[in-house]
Amino acid sequence: AQSVTQLDSHVSVSEGTPVLLRCNYSSSYSPSLFWYVQHPNKGLQLLLKYTSAATLVKGINGFEAEFKKSETSFHLTKPSAHMSDAAEYFCVVSRNPVIYNQGGKLIFGQGTELSVKP
Amino acid sequence: EAQVTQNPRYLITVTGKKLTVTCSQNMNHEYMSWYRQDPGLGLRQIYYSMNVEVTDKGDVPEGYKVSRKEKRNFPLILESPSPNQTSLYFCASSPRAVSSPLHFGNGTRLTVT
Repeated sequence: AQSVTQLDSHVSVSEGTPVLLRCNYSSSYSPSLFWYVQHPNKGLQLLLKYTSAATLVKGINGFEAEFKKSETSFHLTKPSAHMSDAAEYFCVVSRNPVIYNQGGKLIFGQGTELSVKP
Repeated sequence: EAQVTQNPRYLITVTGKKLTVTCSQNMNHEYMSWYRQDPGLGLRQIYYSMNVEVTDKGDVPEGYKVSRKEKRNFPLILESPSPNQTSLYFCASSPRAVSSPLHFGNGTRLTVT
């Protein structure tokens, strides 16, 4: 079975310092992996996605994530936090639709709330 | 403007009173899905649809129904709501299946008393 675990429910950083949001996944086959961001009272917005091309994926707003198969991790990073980055972040894994019949299933992590202090 | 529109944004109802939350997208997307968001649990998939007249259960389908008669619409139906269905609900769509990025609506906050 596939699963995804976000290792921190809450992360607090100071403005201008690096951000690290951790995500581990479990999958029998090469998954598609995503990071989404949710600002208060809003729907989710895609930050970036990994689909078996380059292992280092660049997203919007300066975020990037590295797929490490040996560690089954897909951690999200940003070199310098901005106040506008304060939000909740979700790591998401999908089943490979070629292998599974249930190609429409997505599994979300529990979310990591990022706070940015001035 | 390309968007996913959910209605209503807020809904308060009583146990057992049937309700429908509508979802419409104007991007000609094939894939649509419904999620509920609860504190500490992230988003959990309720139902999804790969195309018109094709729907399938997600991880928490009990107590919900959906239909996909047209490509743009994917309503979520609660035939007999119960308090444990109090939650924040999101509809999302994408061009095809789950390898494409999802476009989310702004959510529907449902309270069942």
